[in-house]
Amino acid sequence: KQEVTQIPAALSVPEGENLVLNCSFTDSAIYNLQWFRQDPGKGLTSLLLIQSSQREQTSGRLNASLDKSSGRSTLYIAASQPGDSATYLCAVPISGGSYIPTFGRGTSLIVHP
Amino acid sequence: EAGVAQSPRYKIIEKRQSVAFWCNPISGHATLYWYQQILGQGPKLLIQFQNNGVVDDSQLPKDRFSAERLKGVDSTLKIQPAKLEDSAVYLCASSLRAGLDASYGYTFGSGTRLTVV
Repeated sequence: KQEVTQIPAALSVPEGENLVLNCSFTDSAIYNLQWFRQDPGKGLTSLLLIQSSQREQTSGRLNASLDKSSGRSTLYIAASQPGDSATYLCAVPISGGSYIPTFGRGTSLIVHP
Repeated sequence: EAGVAQSPRYKIIEKRQSVAFWCNPISGHATLYWYQQILGQGPKLLIQFQNNGVVDDSQLPKDRFSAERLKGVDSTLKIQPAKLEDSAVYLCASSLRAGLDASYGYTFGSGTRLTVV
């Protein structure tokens, strides 16, 4: 059974800081890993999808890396802005063929001006 | 492309009443998931469909929850009777396909926020 842990659980930073959010998983036989953003009371918005054969993906100020052998992924947010305030979730599919994504509890981020 | 559509956006019911949620996935997406997200937690899978067949419903409380995807397109999730602990956001997601060769991500709808009083 895949278990996903996200650290830290919460983060409060001033605007402009560079941030690193961590996601670890117990079963390294994954197909891919996806990072989502969730605003309060809303659904999930996909940020980055890293295939199992890739090491990283970038989109604007976001960069996600994947180290399958150590069961880790990091989401790097450069020059954080108040609009980045949200909960960030990583999802990793369970190995074995059913491709059911397992989620961590998320990191709640507040960027204050 | 149109996203995953869910309705209603919000629902408030009394305990022991019944409620139904609707989801229309992205056109052509064979796989559909229903998740329950309790406040402060990550989403928990309730059921996964591949076309109109159930792939996994091991975490669905079958004594009160039911789901169907009769024509392999849209899906409904029903709770009858509701309990206070069912208060959560119910998220629907779809994916192009699933299985050993899958390397696709999934797209989520905006969710239905259920409050049971």
